Amino acid sequence: QAVLTQPASLSASPGASASLTCTLRSGINVGTYRIYWYQQKPGSPPQFLLRYTSDSDKQQGSGVPSRFSGSKDASANAGILLISGLQSDDEADYYCVIWHSSAWVFGGGTKLTVL
Amino acid sequence: QLVESGGGLVKPGGSLRLSCAASGFTFSTYSMIWVRQAPGKGLEWVSSISSYRNNMNSADSVKGRFTISRDNAKKSLYLQMNSLRVEDTALYYCARVDPTNAFDMWGRGAMVTVSS
Repeated sequence: QAVLTQPASLSASPGASASLTCTLRSGINVGTYRIYWYQQKPGSPPQFLLRYTSDSDKQQGSGVPSRFSGSKDASANAGILLISGLQSDDEADYYCVIWHSSAWVFGGGTKLTVL
Repeated sequence: QLVESGGGLVKPGGSLRLSCAASGFTFSTYSMIWVRQAPGKGLEWVSSISSYRNNMNSADSVKGRFTISRDNAKKSLYLQMNSLRVEDTALYYCARVDPTNAFDMWGRGAMVTVSS
């Protein structure tokens, strides 16, 4: 079982909100991890969006709009990237990342389609 | 900014050295990483190095074959890749690691193709 699991794809309508999940493998407690989120558009390198550990320990990437926010769902053992007021420009791949067992671990990525 | 170079086509078992030239920031004060992306696939961490080279980590998939290094005087990051395999074919990005461990600056990548 992968350390981080993300749904392969998600579709949402312009103006709506999209909730992208990053589920940690059983036995790895989401509460203790900093979760980093990156956005990658076709043909471009990834861009840092935000880091979320808790409501008192979070960081927004430089220039990243507040429409992008992070949270955790302890019951699902998952990190969440919430994008509100979806725009066509938000169509991209989104990756979660954690530091685990002396290694950076990337989730498989979620392709967000805005239609 | 970060600019990678040194990519190319190499046969299985061959070697290649990637470079990443940094500018516009105090290179010596930042940890750096290499991340790769196989064609049509997701991102995979390759290797990391601290600002003064006292701490390095590599993914199990490249351990013993790839070596990360840096020259702070030249503001450059390197990745020496030996015993290359077909599955190492990917776009290799270098990225800066900020003090909170966010990868906050990325290069555009160098393509490495391993094929006979």
